[in-house]
Amino acid sequence: GAVVSQHPSRVICKSGTSVKIECRSLDFQATTMFWYRQFPKQSLMLMATSNEGSKATYEQGVEKDKFLINHASLTLSTLTVTSAHPEDSSFYICSAPRAGSNTGELFFGEGSRLTVL
Amino acid sequence: DAKTTQPTSMDCAEGRAANLPCNHSTISGNEYVYWYRQIHSQGPQYIIHGLKNNETNEMASLIITEDRKSSTLILPHATLRDTAVYYCLRSGGGADGLTFGKGTHLIIQP
Repeated sequence: GAVVSQHPSRVICKSGTSVKIECRSLDFQATTMFWYRQFPKQSLMLMATSNEGSKATYEQGVEKDKFLINHASLTLSTLTVTSAHPEDSSFYICSAPRAGSNTGELFFGEGSRLTVL
Repeated sequence: DAKTTQPTSMDCAEGRAANLPCNHSTISGNEYVYWYRQIHSQGPQYIIHGLKNNETNEMASLIITEDRKSSTLILPHATLRDTAVYYCLRSGGGADGLTFGKGTHLIIQP
């Protein structure tokens, strides 16, 4: 079964509204989680690294004020797309390192498809 | 920069072995080779990883060349459900997220 769960799996919103996506690690603690974005027919692009108890680290070109990340607990990270626009429509995927692993293996969530009208 | 090179697409007949190559000629000594796959509209699924030795699990086998500059993922008996994009990645572990390239779109033909 899934060890990283995302919610919602699909969301449709109006332009200008904000949308929150949750990422939970099931049965293990994740001090670090990664958020990716994937546009149609393209590969996954790392957006940011979510760190429990501290600020997220954003990749170059990703607006931190638009994509708010909160790592509220050792099992939950949230991504809020603020003032969403149609160009933010994408597949958002979170991941967390396998507990106890130092090899880089990641568990991925099922993804959340955002459509902004 | 994905740091790995893979063919864009491959076809394989159902029931046959699918051999997916990956070039990672600049891999450093502490980096692992990872393979993930992504079925349409789903999150990536871990397949296998290795450092130096060949590895096998219930899903696949990973053959790493002695100089570690390339590897091959082998799906021994491909089924239609193995149609997906297969990503070959390298990672030194730690707190860095994995960097994805474009992967290989494997199409299993009936």
